[in-house]
Amino acid sequence: GAGVSQSPRYKVTKRGQDVTLRCDPISSHATLYWYQQALGQGPEFLTYFNYEAQPDKSGLPSDRFSAERPEGSISTLTIQRTEQRDSAMYRCASSAYHSKGETQYFGPGTRLLVL
Amino acid sequence: AQTVTQSQPEMSVQEAETVTLSCTYDTSENNYYLFWYKQPPSRQMILVIRQEAYKQQNATENRFSVNFQKAAKSFSLKISDSQLGDTAMYFCASHGGGGNKLTFGTGTQLKVEL
Repeated sequence: GAGVSQSPRYKVTKRGQDVTLRCDPISSHATLYWYQQALGQGPEFLTYFNYEAQPDKSGLPSDRFSAERPEGSISTLTIQRTEQRDSAMYRCASSAYHSKGETQYFGPGTRLLVL
Repeated sequence: AQTVTQSQPEMSVQEAETVTLSCTYDTSENNYYLFWYKQPPSRQMILVIRQEAYKQQNATENRFSVNFQKAAKSFSLKISDSQLGDTAMYFCASHGGGGNKLTFGTGTQLKVEL
């Protein structure tokens, strides 16, 4: 596609429910990143994929968070048993290659509110 | 670990004037990259400018330029001829740690006024 797309754009859920967020990167981009952005803060790294491999999960806050990219294109981020502190903007970014300095292009984000 | 610090939470500038946003960073990497991203009210994240640390020449993109001081680990953004559409949150970010993730500062909210 022409740019990175994410869905849904907004998600309201109740504490304890599971949510799944979707990211569709720029076509042919090898690398996909997930970030979490709290209100008034900069984005913070969660995890990334190089094609379907997931070399780094170090930013995932707990084992309630997981991500997949089974065919090396679309990715999902799942949060199980959501908590109010999970409320944030979740951003996906993609880059053409997994190399230092490669520009990351961001999607519009999914704003998650946990009640 | 990389850290990025933006010490100006808010700034304002008159239309057509010039404004400079500050950013300092800390890294143990020798080869790294620095970025400024813009987040307008729509909350998109838009790349403004990119600097490669091994290049001494400061990057320039139209009205946007950087002042990169490698020894001081400073990377400021200068916006010339400010326009109302420049009103946004500006994030400084570094790139070069493990996994090539971006490390962001806390942002500077810029308001361009008539």
